[in-house]
Amino acid sequence: DVKVTQSSRYLVKRTGEKVFLECVQDMDHENMFWYRQDPGLGLRLIYFSYDVKMKEKGDIPEGYSVSREKKERFSLILESASTNQTSMYLCASSLQGNYGYTFGSGTRLTVV
Amino acid sequence: DAKTTQPPSMDCAEGRAANLPCNHSTISGNEYVYWYRQIHSQGPQYIIHGLKNNETNEMASLIITEDRKSSTLILPHATLRDTAVYYCIVRANAGGTSYGKLTFGQGTILTVHP
Repeated sequence: DVKVTQSSRYLVKRTGEKVFLECVQDMDHENMFWYRQDPGLGLRLIYFSYDVKMKEKGDIPEGYSVSREKKERFSLILESASTNQTSMYLCASSLQGNYGYTFGSGTRLTVV
Repeated sequence: DAKTTQPPSMDCAEGRAANLPCNHSTISGNEYVYWYRQIHSQGPQYIIHGLKNNETNEMASLIITEDRKSSTLILPHATLRDTAVYYCIVRANAGGTSYGKLTFGQGTILTVHP
C-alpha cells in the first residue's frame, strides 16, 4: 500500500527551539506539500515542492522553511518555534498532473 | 481557483445513498472538481475528481452538471465509517510538468446514523 509517512504523530517543543518535521513518500511522486490545519481555519498550504531542491511558497510560509534533498523526503523546518505554530501539520504528495494527493496521518505539534 | 460552496452539515442513514452537493458557479473551462474527505484525526483522503464528465470509482460517483456550475458526490451505500468532513475543491489544470495546489474550504460534515 502506498504511503506518506510523517516521522512523529505527536511532538512537544519549547518556544525558540528549531523543529524539524519529516515526511517520506514511497510512491516516486514529484510533488510534495506541507499544510497546517487549525480549527476554524481549515487546511492552509505552507510550502510545496515540485522537484528535488525546488520549493515554492504557499499561502502562509512565514516562520517556516523547507528542504527537499531527495525525491522521497520533504522536511518542514520551524527555525524558532513559537506558540502560534502549535497546530496539526499534514504532509502530502502527488504525481505531476491532474492526480489526487496522498496525505500522511499528520503531526500534532505543541509549542510551549 | 474558483470558490466552492457546500452545506456545513448533512445527515444520512446507514445503507442509504449520501448525496453531497457543491456549488462552483465561477468555475472556468480548465478547472477540475476534486473531492476529498477527512475522518477525525486523520489526514484527508482523495476520493474522486472530474472535469466535465461524470466519474465513478470504487469509493463514489461524481456527477457534474452540464454547465459545470455544480456537482454532487454520491456515496451509494453509506456506512458509519463514511462519517467525515467532505471537501469539494476546484483546481486549475495541472497537466504536464505544471503543478496545481489544492485550497481547502470548510467542507461538509457528513454524519451517517445507524
